[in-house]
Amino acid sequence: AQSVTQPDIHITVSEGASLELRCNYSYGATPYLFWYVQSPGQGLQLLLKYFSGDTLVQGIKGFEAEFKRSQSSFNLRKPSVHWSDAAEYFCAVGGLTGGGNKLTFGTGTQLKVEL
Amino acid sequence: EAGVAQSPRYKIIEKRQSVAFWCNPISGHATLYWYQQILGQGPKLLIQFQNNGVVDDSQLPKDRFSAERLKGVDSTLKIQPAKLEDSAVYLCASSLERQLAYEQYFGPGTRLTVT
Repeated sequence: AQSVTQPDIHITVSEGASLELRCNYSYGATPYLFWYVQSPGQGLQLLLKYFSGDTLVQGIKGFEAEFKRSQSSFNLRKPSVHWSDAAEYFCAVGGLTGGGNKLTFGTGTQLKVEL
Repeated sequence: EAGVAQSPRYKIIEKRQSVAFWCNPISGHATLYWYQQILGQGPKLLIQFQNNGVVDDSQLPKDRFSAERLKGVDSTLKIQPAKLEDSAVYLCASSLERQLAYEQYFGPGTRLTVT
């Protein structure tokens, strides 16, 4: 069964500082990996995704993530955080299950940005 | 292009009552998903439709939850009777097709409180 672990429930960074959110996955084959962001009262928005090829993936809003198969990780990074990045971030792994293509989400990391 | 629409945005009911949520996906999207997001957790897939057929309902508590997408466009999720543990945000998402290469677009969700 596929699963995702986000070890950090809360992270606080200062505006302008760099950010790294951790994600570890479990999946039997080559995974499809995603990062979503959720602002209060909003639905989830896709930041970036990895299917194959280059292991460093660029996304929207200046985010990037690196797929490391040896570590079963897909960490999200941003070199300089803006106050508007405060939100909850979810890592997800996708795979075939029950006849459909299913996303399994982690429990999320709440990001707080200090001005 | 209009996004995924959901209503109502908020609902408070007493346990053992029934409730229904409505979702209108992005026009032309064949695949529709209902997720349950309990506070402090990531979204969990309840049911996935491809047009008007069910692809995956393995995590839908069928003794109390039901969903339909009769004309392959909008969808309704019903809970009858509700339990306290059903308090959550119910997210609807849609994608062009069910393969994971197609992005899932999420609606703003319906926040259900069962008292």
